Amino acid sequence: DAKTTQPPSMDCAEGRAANLPCNHSTISGNEYVYWYRQIHSQGPQYIIHGLKNNETNEMASLIITEDRKSSTLILPHATLRDTAVYYCIVRVRNAGGTSYGKLTFGQGTILTVHP
Amino acid sequence: DAGVTQSPTHLIKTRGQQVTLRCSPKSGHDTVSWYQQALGQGPQFIFQYYEEEERQRGNFPDRFSGHQFPNYSSELNVNALLLGDSALYLCASSLAGTALRDEQFFGPGTRLTVL
Repeated sequence: DAKTTQPPSMDCAEGRAANLPCNHSTISGNEYVYWYRQIHSQGPQYIIHGLKNNETNEMASLIITEDRKSSTLILPHATLRDTAVYYCIVRVRNAGGTSYGKLTFGQGTILTVHP
Repeated sequence: DAGVTQSPTHLIKTRGQQVTLRCSPKSGHDTVSWYQQALGQGPQFIFQYYEEEERQRGNFPDRFSGHQFPNYSSELNVNALLLGDSALYLCASSLAGTALRDEQFFGPGTRLTVL
Protein backbone atom coordinates (compact mmCIF):
# COMPACT_ATOMS: atom_id res chain seq x y z
CA ASP A 1 0.00 0.00 0.00
CA ALA A 2 1.20 3.50 -0.82
CA LYS A 3 2.66 5.67 1.91
CA THR A 4 0.80 8.81 3.01
CA THR A 5 2.06 12.04 4.55
CA GLN A 6 -0.08 14.22 6.81
CA PRO A 7 0.68 17.25 8.97
CA PRO A 8 1.02 16.18 12.62
CA SER A 9 -1.50 18.70 13.92
CA MET A 10 -4.02 21.34 12.87
CA ASP A 11 -6.36 23.75 14.60
CA CYS A 12 -9.80 24.92 13.55
CA ALA A 13 -12.40 27.28 15.00
CA GLU A 14 -15.79 25.82 15.80
CA GLY A 15 -18.25 26.39 12.96
CA ARG A 16 -15.54 26.88 10.37
CA ALA A 17 -14.49 24.39 7.71
CA ALA A 18 -11.61 22.07 8.58
CA ASN A 19 -9.45 21.15 5.61
CA LEU A 20 -7.11 18.24 6.26
CA PRO A 21 -4.48 17.56 3.58
CA CYS A 22 -2.87 14.26 2.68
CA ASN A 23 -0.04 13.55 0.29
CA HIS A 24 0.08 10.16 -1.44
CA SER A 25 2.40 10.79 -4.35
CA THR A 26 3.19 7.10 -4.93
CA ILE A 27 -0.45 6.00 -5.17
CA SER A 28 -1.13 3.44 -7.90
CA GLY A 29 -4.10 3.15 -10.20
CA ASN A 30 -5.99 0.54 -8.19
CA GLU A 31 -5.57 2.22 -4.81
CA TYR A 32 -8.37 4.13 -3.15
CA VAL A 33 -8.03 6.92 -0.61
CA TYR A 34 -9.75 6.29 2.72
CA TRP A 35 -10.19 8.52 5.72
CA TYR A 36 -10.77 7.33 9.28
CA ARG A 37 -10.77 9.27 12.52
CA GLN A 38 -10.15 8.27 16.11
CA ILE A 39 -11.68 10.20 18.93
CA HIS A 40 -9.86 9.87 22.23
CA SER A 41 -10.40 6.51 23.94
CA GLN A 42 -12.45 5.11 21.05
CA GLY A 43 -11.72 2.87 18.10
CA PRO A 44 -11.21 4.42 14.64
CA GLN A 45 -14.33 5.43 12.71
CA TYR A 46 -14.73 5.30 8.94
CA ILE A 47 -15.42 8.68 7.33
CA ILE A 48 -15.24 8.45 3.55
CA HIS A 49 -13.32 6.97 0.64
CA GLY A 50 -12.79 7.70 -3.06
CA LEU A 51 -10.82 6.78 -6.16
CA LYS A 52 -10.52 9.85 -8.36
CA ASN A 53 -13.79 11.75 -8.20
CA ASN A 54 -14.77 14.04 -5.39
CA GLU A 55 -16.99 12.37 -2.85
CA THR A 56 -19.43 13.71 -0.26
CA ASN A 57 -21.41 12.05 2.49
CA GLU A 58 -23.16 13.12 5.65
CA MET A 59 -19.87 13.45 7.52
CA ALA A 60 -17.43 15.06 5.11
CA SER A 61 -16.25 15.77 1.58
CA LEU A 62 -13.19 14.29 -0.08
CA ILE A 63 -11.36 16.21 -2.78
CA ILE A 64 -8.77 14.24 -4.77
CA THR A 65 -6.45 16.09 -7.15
CA GLU A 66 -6.54 15.19 -10.83
CA ASP A 67 -3.14 13.46 -10.65
CA ARG A 68 -4.35 11.65 -7.49
CA LYS A 69 -1.14 12.49 -5.67
CA SER A 70 -2.90 14.35 -2.89
CA SER A 71 -6.30 14.76 -1.32
CA THR A 72 -8.14 16.95 1.17
CA LEU A 73 -10.76 15.92 3.69
CA ILE A 74 -13.22 18.71 4.38
CA LEU A 75 -15.39 18.94 7.48
CA PRO A 76 -17.70 21.78 6.40
CA HIS A 77 -18.76 23.02 9.84
CA ALA A 78 -16.41 21.66 12.48
CA THR A 79 -17.73 21.10 15.99
CA LEU A 80 -15.93 20.37 19.25
CA ARG A 81 -16.87 16.71 18.79
CA ASP A 82 -14.75 16.61 15.63
CA THR A 83 -11.58 16.92 17.72
CA ALA A 84 -9.77 13.67 16.89
CA VAL A 85 -6.84 12.07 15.09
CA TYR A 86 -7.58 11.85 11.36
CA TYR A 87 -5.92 9.12 9.32
CA CYS A 88 -5.50 9.14 5.55
CA ILE A 89 -5.01 5.63 4.15
CA VAL A 90 -4.52 4.34 0.62
CA ARG A 91 -5.68 0.84 0.00
CA VAL A 92 -6.02 -1.61 -2.87
CA ARG A 93 -9.41 -2.64 -4.12
CA ASN A 94 -9.81 -5.50 -6.56
CA ALA A 95 -11.73 -5.35 -9.80
CA GLY A 96 -14.84 -6.73 -8.18
CA GLY A 97 -15.07 -3.73 -5.87
CA THR A 98 -14.21 -5.61 -2.72
CA SER A 99 -11.15 -4.75 -0.74
CA TYR A 100 -8.46 -6.47 1.22
CA GLY A 101 -8.71 -6.36 4.96
CA LYS A 102 -5.52 -4.61 5.95
CA LEU A 103 -5.67 -0.92 6.80
CA THR A 104 -2.23 0.68 7.08
CA PHE A 105 -2.42 3.60 9.49
CA GLY A 106 0.24 6.30 9.67
CA GLN A 107 0.61 8.87 12.43
CA GLY A 108 -2.40 10.88 11.31
CA THR A 109 -3.28 14.52 11.94
CA ILE A 110 -4.44 15.66 15.36
CA LEU A 111 -7.28 18.08 14.67
CA THR A 112 -8.22 20.34 17.56
CA VAL A 113 -11.44 22.32 17.21
CA HIS A 114 -11.52 25.43 19.41
CA PRO A 115 -14.65 27.18 20.74
CA ASP B 1 -27.98 -2.85 16.79
CA ALA B 2 -24.92 -3.66 18.87
CA GLY B 3 -21.67 -2.60 17.36
CA VAL B 4 -18.35 -4.35 17.80
CA THR B 5 -17.80 -5.40 21.40
CA GLN B 6 -14.54 -6.37 23.04
CA SER B 7 -13.65 -7.88 26.38
CA PRO B 8 -12.12 -7.26 28.76
CA THR B 9 -11.82 -3.47 28.74
CA HIS B 10 -8.56 -3.43 30.64
CA LEU B 11 -6.09 -6.14 31.53
CA ILE B 12 -2.84 -6.26 33.50
CA LYS B 13 -0.39 -9.12 33.00
CA THR B 14 3.24 -9.83 33.84
CA ARG B 15 6.03 -10.71 31.46
CA GLY B 16 5.96 -14.29 30.23
CA GLN B 17 2.25 -14.77 30.81
CA GLN B 18 -0.34 -15.51 28.16
CA VAL B 19 -3.45 -13.47 27.40
CA THR B 20 -6.68 -14.00 25.46
CA LEU B 21 -8.74 -11.09 24.16
CA ARG B 22 -12.25 -11.47 22.77
CA CYS B 23 -14.25 -9.74 20.08
CA SER B 24 -17.84 -9.98 18.88
CA PRO B 25 -18.40 -8.44 15.45
CA LYS B 26 -21.17 -6.10 14.46
CA SER B 27 -24.40 -7.93 13.65
CA GLY B 28 -24.31 -9.27 10.10
CA HIS B 29 -20.53 -9.04 9.73
CA ASP B 30 -18.44 -12.13 9.02
CA THR B 31 -14.86 -10.85 8.95
CA VAL B 32 -12.76 -9.82 11.94
CA SER B 33 -9.44 -7.98 11.92
CA TRP B 34 -7.16 -7.29 14.88
CA TYR B 35 -4.91 -4.26 15.34
CA GLN B 36 -2.34 -3.23 17.94
CA GLN B 37 -2.05 0.44 18.84
CA ALA B 38 0.91 1.56 20.93
CA LEU B 39 0.63 4.85 22.76
CA GLY B 40 0.88 7.79 20.38
CA GLN B 41 0.97 5.59 17.27
CA GLY B 42 -1.55 4.58 14.65
CA PRO B 43 -3.04 1.10 14.78
CA GLN B 44 -0.92 -1.70 13.28
CA PHE B 45 -2.60 -4.62 11.51
CA ILE B 46 -2.07 -8.01 13.19
CA PHE B 47 -4.28 -10.38 11.17
CA GLN B 48 -7.71 -10.95 9.69
CA TYR B 49 -10.07 -13.90 10.03
CA TYR B 50 -12.77 -14.97 7.61
CA GLU B 51 -14.57 -18.32 7.47
CA GLU B 52 -12.65 -19.37 10.58
CA GLU B 53 -9.29 -19.07 8.82
CA GLU B 54 -6.51 -16.53 9.01
CA ARG B 55 -6.62 -14.77 5.63
CA GLN B 56 -4.05 -12.04 5.98
CA ARG B 57 -1.31 -11.33 8.48
CA GLY B 58 0.79 -8.32 9.37
CA ASN B 59 4.36 -8.24 10.60
CA PHE B 60 3.79 -9.85 14.00
CA PRO B 61 5.59 -12.89 15.50
CA ASP B 62 4.00 -16.28 15.98
CA ARG B 63 3.39 -15.41 19.63
CA PHE B 64 0.32 -13.68 18.28
CA SER B 65 -2.36 -16.12 17.22
CA GLY B 66 -6.06 -16.04 16.76
CA HIS B 67 -9.23 -17.94 16.21
CA GLN B 68 -12.62 -17.32 14.70
CA PHE B 69 -15.69 -19.22 15.81
CA PRO B 70 -18.71 -20.32 13.73
CA ASN B 71 -20.70 -17.36 15.11
CA TYR B 72 -17.97 -15.06 13.67
CA SER B 73 -16.65 -13.96 17.06
CA SER B 74 -12.91 -14.03 17.46
CA GLU B 75 -10.10 -14.36 19.97
CA LEU B 76 -6.61 -12.93 19.95
CA ASN B 77 -4.01 -14.87 21.93
CA VAL B 78 -0.59 -13.57 22.86
CA ASN B 79 1.95 -15.91 24.43
CA ALA B 80 5.14 -15.13 26.35
CA LEU B 81 4.16 -11.52 26.91
CA LEU B 82 6.81 -8.83 26.60
CA LEU B 83 6.79 -5.32 28.01
CA GLY B 84 6.49 -4.07 24.42
CA ASP B 85 3.16 -5.85 24.01
CA SER B 86 1.55 -3.19 26.20
CA ALA B 87 -0.93 -1.47 23.90
CA LEU B 88 -4.54 -0.95 22.96
CA TYR B 89 -5.79 -3.96 21.00
CA LEU B 90 -8.54 -3.12 18.55
CA CYS B 91 -10.94 -5.43 16.81
CA ALA B 92 -12.65 -4.41 13.58
CA SER B 93 -15.43 -6.19 11.74
CA SER B 94 -16.60 -6.00 8.16
CA LEU B 95 -18.64 -7.91 5.62
CA ALA B 96 -16.62 -9.82 3.05
CA GLY B 97 -17.33 -8.92 -0.53
CA THR B 98 -18.99 -5.65 0.36
CA ALA B 99 -18.66 -3.24 -2.53
CA LEU B 100 -20.69 -0.44 -1.03
CA ARG B 101 -19.43 1.68 1.84
CA ASP B 102 -16.56 -0.72 2.45
CA GLU B 103 -15.92 0.34 5.98
CA GLN B 104 -14.47 -1.47 8.92
CA PHE B 105 -16.26 -0.98 12.22
CA PHE B 106 -13.93 -0.83 15.20
CA GLY B 107 -14.60 -1.78 18.78
CA PRO B 108 -13.48 0.33 21.76
CA GLY B 109 -10.42 -1.85 22.30
CA THR B 110 -8.79 -3.72 25.16
CA ARG B 111 -6.04 -1.90 27.03
CA LEU B 112 -3.31 -4.43 27.87
CA THR B 113 -0.58 -3.50 30.34
CA VAL B 114 2.39 -5.84 30.74
CA LEU B 115 4.44 -5.35 33.91
